[in-house]
Amino acid sequence: GAVVSQHPSRVICKSGTSVKIECRSLDFQATTMFWYRQFPKKSLMLMATSNEGSKATYEQGVEKDKFLINHASLTLSTLTVTSAHPEDSSFYICSAGTGTGPYNEQFFGPGTRLTVL
Amino acid sequence: AQSVTQLDSHVSVSEGTPVLLRCNYSSSYSPSLFWYVQHPNKGLQLLLKYTSAATLVKGINGFEAEFKKSETSFHLTKPSAHMSDAAEYFCVVSPGGSYIPTFGRGTSLIVHP
Repeated sequence: GAVVSQHPSRVICKSGTSVKIECRSLDFQATTMFWYRQFPKKSLMLMATSNEGSKATYEQGVEKDKFLINHASLTLSTLTVTSAHPEDSSFYICSAGTGTGPYNEQFFGPGTRLTVL
Repeated sequence: AQSVTQLDSHVSVSEGTPVLLRCNYSSSYSPSLFWYVQHPNKGLQLLLKYTSAATLVKGINGFEAEFKKSETSFHLTKPSAHMSDAAEYFCVVSPGGSYIPTFGRGTSLIVHP
């Protein structure tokens, strides 16, 4: 099946710094990538949808200036957590889809554990 | 509008006994439905998906699910639980005409020796 990677898998940073997380589709071109946030023992919360070459669409309640998403190519999307604070600590997961039809599954990355001190 | 309800937050079974994880959905369109599994500190792995073909869908690791439109359900089953099945399971609905999926809250499967 299609493979999606995330880098880094784990990051610890100081409060006030910015952190960039990369999501790559390794063996297919992803027209759409999704970014999720998962709190401990909770379900995934969709943060934003990004399409290559266009601005991301953010879900209600997600700060656009806080969580910067760039989808520069069909195989790479990045999420930058700007001026991170301890409440931003979470498990961030990306997924990639190969099309826009209703039956296209998403392929998930392994996730990035962000800890803000 | 669409929604997914996973009826149990935790399910506990003994190894070798059947597993039933329940999922009900609502969707304005003919949906596609998925079950994903997540092991601790790992990403999500697709178990199986329903895409309007056969209503009984077989997935990996011996799991299967049956799409019942009249009951708006897509329950996940396995005849015999294994210790390695202990994980979090998510039911996901993706409606026709739109690609934005909706996740259930998850069901934690606990398998006792």
